[in-house]
Amino acid sequence: DAGVIQSPRHEVTEMGQEVTLRCKPISGHDYLFWYRQTMMRGLELLIYFNNNVPIDDSGMPEDRFSAKMPNASFSTLKIQPSEPRDSAVYFCASSFGTGYDGYTFGSGTRLTVV
Amino acid sequence: KQEVTQIPAALSVPEGENLVLNCSFTDSAIYNLQWFRQDPGKGLTSLLLIQSSQREQTSGRLNASLDKSSGRSTLYIAASQPGDSATYLCAVNAAGNKLTFGGGTRVLVKP
Repeated sequence: DAGVIQSPRHEVTEMGQEVTLRCKPISGHDYLFWYRQTMMRGLELLIYFNNNVPIDDSGMPEDRFSAKMPNASFSTLKIQPSEPRDSAVYFCASSFGTGYDGYTFGSGTRLTVV
Repeated sequence: KQEVTQIPAALSVPEGENLVLNCSFTDSAIYNLQWFRQDPGKGLTSLLLIQSSQREQTSGRLNASLDKSSGRSTLYIAASQPGDSATYLCAVNAAGNKLTFGGGTRVLVKP
C-alpha cells in the first residue's frame, strides 16, 4: 500500500479564498482523522470519521471549516473563507478498528494564507 | 480530558550517548501508546507501538517502556547518531479511538 496520500503538499492562497485539502486513506482502514499542527498548539485533532460518518468534529475551530468523506477512499477538508491564522500543516491519518495496529499519517499539506 | 506531556522539550547530546525521552499522560485508561518521529518539514513516522497490556517494545536501537498505572512512557535510543536528530512525539490512544499528542521533544545529536 502507498500509505496515506495527501494533496497538495503545499498550498499558498490569499485571504478569503476557498481551500480544499484532500486525503486518501489506506485501503481497508475504517477510521480517518484530520489533524492540524502549529508551533503554538502542536498537533490538534480536528475531526474524525468512522466508516465515512463523522464521529467527532469538536476540534473544528469554526464554521469556516468543513470536512467530508463521500466514500471509503477519499476525504476533503475545506476552509472557506481562509484567514492567515489558518496557516498550518494539516495531516490526515487512518487506522483500522480501534487503532490496535496504530495510526498511519500522511505527509501533510503545508497551508499558507497570505 | 487526556493530557500528554513530554519532557524535556529539547535535548542536545554528543554522538554515541544514549537518549532518554519521557512522556506522561493523565488518564491511565489508554488503549495503546505510539511513538513517532518527525523530521523538519516532514510527516510523522511511526517508531514503536505499545499496547496497554505490554510493558515494552523494542526495535533495533529503540526501546519504549510503558507504565500505565503511573501514566508514563519512556523512549530509549541507544548509541545516538546524528541521523537521530528529529522531533519525537508521543501519542496516546484513549477511549473513543482518539490520539492525543504530547508537545514533542526536539533532539539534536552532535557529531
